[in-house]
Amino acid sequence: QVQLVQSGPEVKKPGASVKVSCKASGYTFSNYTIHWVRQAPGQRLEWMGWLNPGTGYGKLSQKFQGRLTLPRDTSASIAFMELSSLRSEDTAIYYCARVKLDYYYGLDVWGQGTTVTVSS
Amino acid sequence: DIVMTQSPLSLPVTPGEPASISCRSSQSLLYSNGYKYVDWYLQKPGQSPQLLIYLGSNRASGVPDRFSGSGSGTNFTLKISRVEPEDVGVYYCMQPLQTPFTFGPGTKVDLK
Repeated sequence: QVQLVQSGPEVKKPGASVKVSCKASGYTFSNYTIHWVRQAPGQRLEWMGWLNPGTGYGKLSQKFQGRLTLPRDTSASIAFMELSSLRSEDTAIYYCARVKLDYYYGLDVWGQGTTVTVSS
Repeated sequence: DIVMTQSPLSLPVTPGEPASISCRSSQSLLYSNGYKYVDWYLQKPGQSPQLLIYLGSNRASGVPDRFSGSGSGTNFTLKISRVEPEDVGVYYCMQPLQTPFTFGPGTKVDLK
């Protein structure tokens, strides 16, 4: 079945980087963009950016410019979210979700979430 | 950035009764193609968000028909015709019209 499976929880120190993976299965990876959304404790959902896995093109929220990259491994159908210069405010659950390329049907499949804790 | 607001922020409901959540955007979400770029998501306790409604009024695959979405350029509504116990959770509206996509603060729905 269609699913996005994310990597496990991470604990990082301030200033470090984290790389979260999102493995797609059950559909053609290049036919959907991958979006990243995070949720800090008690906060609303926050959109971070998106990537077209087929072309490598994407767009990032200006809030994360310079700290966020969204690489991918098309041969393995995996998208990544890499966030650097971590601070305590980056403690959150990070989700990946897919959006169809040719027509907008919403963020219709989500990963299970990856908890990232930033603490000294 | 487009700011999304919701009301109420907390909504106690009685199973079998209707419920309604409002969402307002700081800019019109009506695009030139005639579609209203607002989605609704439900985050059940301990789970990832799940898509309920996209482009204002289209139910996602598998979503019961007791859920419906409507609205104009800046004011939108999610309605549940008869609340079921499994509908508890936090409901978010989101605008995908322009980046950064932005979410409302969420409406927590629980049983009375």
